[in-house]
Amino acid sequence: QVQLQESGPGLVKPSETLSLTCTVSGYSISSGYYWGWIRQPPGKGLEWIGSLSHSGSTYYNPSLKSRVTILVDTSKNQFSLKVSSMTAADTAVYFCASATDLYSSPSHWGQGTLVTVSS
Amino acid sequence: DIVMTQSPDSLAVSLGERATINCKSSQSVFYSSNNKNYLAWYQQKPGQPPKLLIDWASTRESGVPDRFSGSGSGTDFALTISSLQAEDVAVYYCQQYYTTPCSFGQGTKLEIK
Repeated sequence: QVQLQESGPGLVKPSETLSLTCTVSGYSISSGYYWGWIRQPPGKGLEWIGSLSHSGSTYYNPSLKSRVTILVDTSKNQFSLKVSSMTAADTAVYFCASATDLYSSPSHWGQGTLVTVSS
Repeated sequence: DIVMTQSPDSLAVSLGERATINCKSSQSVFYSSNNKNYLAWYQQKPGQPPKLLIDWASTRESGVPDRFSGSGSGTDFALTISSLQAEDVAVYYCQQYYTTPCSFGQGTKLEIK
């Protein structure tokens, strides 16, 4: 059973870069699947940020592409998210998730981590 | 980008009654080469991540009660709960994964009447 767990700071200052890590257990990232990030502003809907294949290919939402980087660390069985130039509009619960393919529905999700952007 | 629109935004149904949530995509999410609709339904309860209920428009995930069913094709879809239970109170989202960026509906809040 694939399990995912997000970690990172709960508070980020405006204009700073957010760095989050997703630790995967129960499955080796290098074996396959797609690994991604989705966010949800408080009381609002879900927004796909981007995904990473097990081979390292990345796919980003065009609305965020200029500010987002997703990387994989197979030695630690982790993948990460960086979002630069954070603003209050980026305040959200950030989920990491996995899917069997880029064009399939994420079936395993982390619990999510709330990131607040405030000075 | 494909825009997903759900209706209604909120819904109150009596216990044991049927609940239906609709989802419309701005373009077809049906892929004729494999005869599949790239459409999923999720259930989200407060403080929890979304839970995948149905993918490919009508395939229930393992462990999902059979009172949940998905239907539709092309641009118009529905999630039906045949007999509402108290534990079904949640926000429900549809999602298309036909193209990137994948996109979600705005959510439908389901409550007990």
